[in-house]
Amino acid sequence: LAKTTQPISMDSYEGQEVNITCSHNNIATNDYITWYQQFPSQGPRFIIQGYKTKVTNEVASLFIPADRKSSTLSLPRVSLSDTAVYYCLVGDPYTGGFKTIFGAGTRLFVKA
Amino acid sequence: GAVVSQHPSRVICKSGTSVKIECRSLDFQATTMFWYRQFPKQSLMLMATSNEGSKATYEQGVEKDKFLINHASLTLSTLTVTSAHPEDSSFYICSARNPGGKSEHEQFFGPGTRLTVL
Repeated sequence: LAKTTQPISMDSYEGQEVNITCSHNNIATNDYITWYQQFPSQGPRFIIQGYKTKVTNEVASLFIPADRKSSTLSLPRVSLSDTAVYYCLVGDPYTGGFKTIFGAGTRLFVKA
Repeated sequence: GAVVSQHPSRVICKSGTSVKIECRSLDFQATTMFWYRQFPKQSLMLMATSNEGSKATYEQGVEKDKFLINHASLTLSTLTVTSAHPEDSSFYICSARNPGGKSEHEQFFGPGTRLTVL
């Protein structure tokens, strides 16, 4: 499974756009990139998933360059409630039941 | 999205007792579920993959006789922490995929179970 590297923590202010970049140099051809959000004492929550280029949903955008060795989660206009840990995961959903290995994650602190 | 529940949400037990945690997929069938453990301020650590109708697959370093996993139906997996000790105190989280759902690659996580062993 591809190893991922993310910043340990980030600070932001309400209303700003936050971009969290994840490195996954050893990503395999069949691997997808998935981001999860976790609040304290809760299970992780799916944010977005992509394979290449750009994916956008109602809460975030995911930018993936052509070489797929990194990805950037973009959160538009964050609020205090976006303070959480964000995990970038890489894996093949078609094999091994998409066994998900979590890295250290990025702790995002949103300030007023 | 699909819903995964866990029961209980928190449990306190005495050292040496066994504790069972249930993980249910409420609106879909899950042939595979995953069990994680998370210590404070740390990331989730995958413990084992639970397979319906067959033996669980444990990650390296996880004692299969200590953490018993049973996946007897397509909607229920259980994790039993046997002879629990204070060092087993942790946040246990399960997850499942919904291969037939709209987001077939999405993994759905339960709310977690806080285990405290006195």
